[in-house]
Amino acid sequence: EDKVVQSPLSLVVHEGDTVTLNCSYEVTNFRSLLWYKQEKKAPTFLFMLTSSGIEKKSGRLSSILDKKELFSILNITATQTGDSAVYLCAVDGSGTYKYIFGTGTRLKVLA
Amino acid sequence: SQTIHQWPATLVQPVGSPLSLECTVEGTSNPNLYWYRQAAGRGLQLLFYSVGIGQISSEVPQNLSASRPQDRQFILSSKKLLLSDSGFYLCAWSAGAGNQPQHFGDGTRLSIL
Repeated sequence: EDKVVQSPLSLVVHEGDTVTLNCSYEVTNFRSLLWYKQEKKAPTFLFMLTSSGIEKKSGRLSSILDKKELFSILNITATQTGDSAVYLCAVDGSGTYKYIFGTGTRLKVLA
Repeated sequence: SQTIHQWPATLVQPVGSPLSLECTVEGTSNPNLYWYRQAAGRGLQLLFYSVGIGQISSEVPQNLSASRPQDRQFILSSKKLLLSDSGFYLCAWSAGAGNQPQHFGDGTRLSIL
């Protein structure tokens, strides 16, 4: 059975810290991996990683994909209180554009 | 630019009552459409997806159904709600061609009493 596991489940840091969120997966036919940030309502798209795009960066956020070891990490540097959210990872592992979501990592950044 | 609208934002319904949640997408044609349910601590569970008008695939057997009467309209329904149907329901779309990310609506928080 395909699955996506995120760790840690929750994390509390102080402003200015750097955090690393993990997403490991076991799927039949990997196509892509997505990262989302969810505050109160809609998950907001952050990055898509594929075989042809294994590293992405936007401001203080960056992500890499390791297809050999079957995981991805999301890095956030110089964290701010506005980074507090649940971060979701999702994998299309069947090649049918249907994504399996992890349970998320809840990040809290203290001022 | 593309936008997705989902309503209502919150809904309180008695057990056994019917349900209709609506989702519409603007600014794109022939999108893939998805309904998810998000339970606390359990991530997003895919309920239905659609690649075109009238084409619905169900991922989880349950008393919910979905319909796509128009290209950019996706409806989630139930004839008789159960207590276990409580949750946060999210609609999403992705471009119909190629490997594209999904974009979510603001969700409906459904409480069954």
